[in-house]
Amino acid sequence: GAGVSQSPRYKVAKRGQDVALRCDPISGHVSLFWYQQALGQGPEFLTYFQNEAQLDKSGLPSDRFFAERPEGSVSTLKIQRTQQEDSAVYLCASSPRSSLLTDTQYFGPGTRLTVL
Amino acid sequence: KQEVTQIPAALSVPEGENLVLNCSFTDSAIYNLQWFRQDPGKGLTSLLLIQSSQREQTSGRLNASLDKSSGRSTLYIAASQPGDSATYLCAVWSGNTGKLIFGQGTTLQVKP
Repeated sequence: GAGVSQSPRYKVAKRGQDVALRCDPISGHVSLFWYQQALGQGPEFLTYFQNEAQLDKSGLPSDRFFAERPEGSVSTLKIQRTQQEDSAVYLCASSPRSSLLTDTQYFGPGTRLTVL
Repeated sequence: KQEVTQIPAALSVPEGENLVLNCSFTDSAIYNLQWFRQDPGKGLTSLLLIQSSQREQTSGRLNASLDKSSGRSTLYIAASQPGDSATYLCAVWSGNTGKLIFGQGTTLQVKP
């Protein structure tokens, strides 16, 4: 079956532009996560949704970052007034249930954002 | 604050060798530990998940162990193949933070 998909795969933005990154989780998956992965580093947690509810946004680095999942399926991560330090790969992951401690997460291929 | 460290950062071995990747974490209050594989330009693929009550998990040529008290995990790869070349990431589901905390990864190259 289809895995987690993300679009666009690559995005180049000028500093100060707004960007929107899309994640299509595996159909029926309850939980959805966003991570930020800088070059040569492991992913860092940004935010977590259970269905449409954003239960944890403690990893969002600033108020320029905003995520939503209005119908409990597709999610969008929006970054306003992009800065060079926002350049990274943004990974989306989903898991089938809300029992996070036992379910593995299925990752998408990521969106590579470059801010010039 | 939970911190996850992976050593070495990079490793190059000839095909056929058995090898061990190391992962350490600072806070033993974890719910589980996972090993992931990441190929260039791609997302992460889960390899093994060890619950905090377990000592090891095996899948094919892969074996992962967990010693919670000492804050260590190892990923053992038997009879390495060029197709094993990738970055391997260790992550703990930390009880204190309620989220996955990743190490920086070990990049493995298996030479034919």
